[in-house]
Amino acid sequence: GDSVTQMEGPVTLSEEAFLTINCTYTATGYPSLFWYVQYPGEGLQLLLKATKADDKGSNKGFEATYRKETTSFHLEKGSVQVSDSAVYFCALSAGSGTYKYIFGTGTRLKVLA
Amino acid sequence: KAGVTQTPRYLIKTRGQQVTLSCSPISGHRSVSWYQQTPGQGLQFLFEYFSETQRNKGNFPGRFSGRQFSNSRSEMNVSTLELGDSALYLCASSLGGSGGVYNEQFFGPGTRLTVL
Repeated sequence: GDSVTQMEGPVTLSEEAFLTINCTYTATGYPSLFWYVQYPGEGLQLLLKATKADDKGSNKGFEATYRKETTSFHLEKGSVQVSDSAVYFCALSAGSGTYKYIFGTGTRLKVLA
Repeated sequence: KAGVTQTPRYLIKTRGQQVTLSCSPISGHRSVSWYQQTPGQGLQFLFEYFSETQRNKGNFPGRFSGRQFSNSRSEMNVSTLELGDSALYLCASSLGGSGGVYNEQFFGPGTRLTVL
């Protein structure tokens, strides 16, 4: 069945460091791919999305490119801030006719000043 | 536009009791999905409703049920609570169509359920 695999956390970085959180997926058809962020005590917020191969989603300095050939959607940011400390979830929504989201296990990011 | 709201935000129950959680989607959204989030299992899909019909279901026991009303508001019910049901229950709404922007989900803040 469909699945999402994320790198295990926690990831601890110094402020202004480069961030990569790996995400790979398995899906039939052509899923849409998402990154969500969850701050302490809150629900999930959509960070960015990509709906077809080679699309690049971007928001707040974060980027991820939909790579169909490697079935990946890695999250990157050039310079992290303390305020980026949160849990990041990679997710997919399978193609037409399926309305279920599959989430990865989440990666906790801690940024130190 | 108001976001997804969930009530109550916190709930404490004892084993064997039942509980009902409520979710009000974003205006115009017809799909509501429910998720259970625990430290050990992560985010697990419970079910999804669209136009008052359950359209998709995860792998949870029959103690977990839901419904959706004509105004798209949804309720989730858990009967005969177990200690392992302690979790953050998240509701998400979307337009509900097929593909692309239609299945982009917007999450509420969640209801934190503690079972003693």
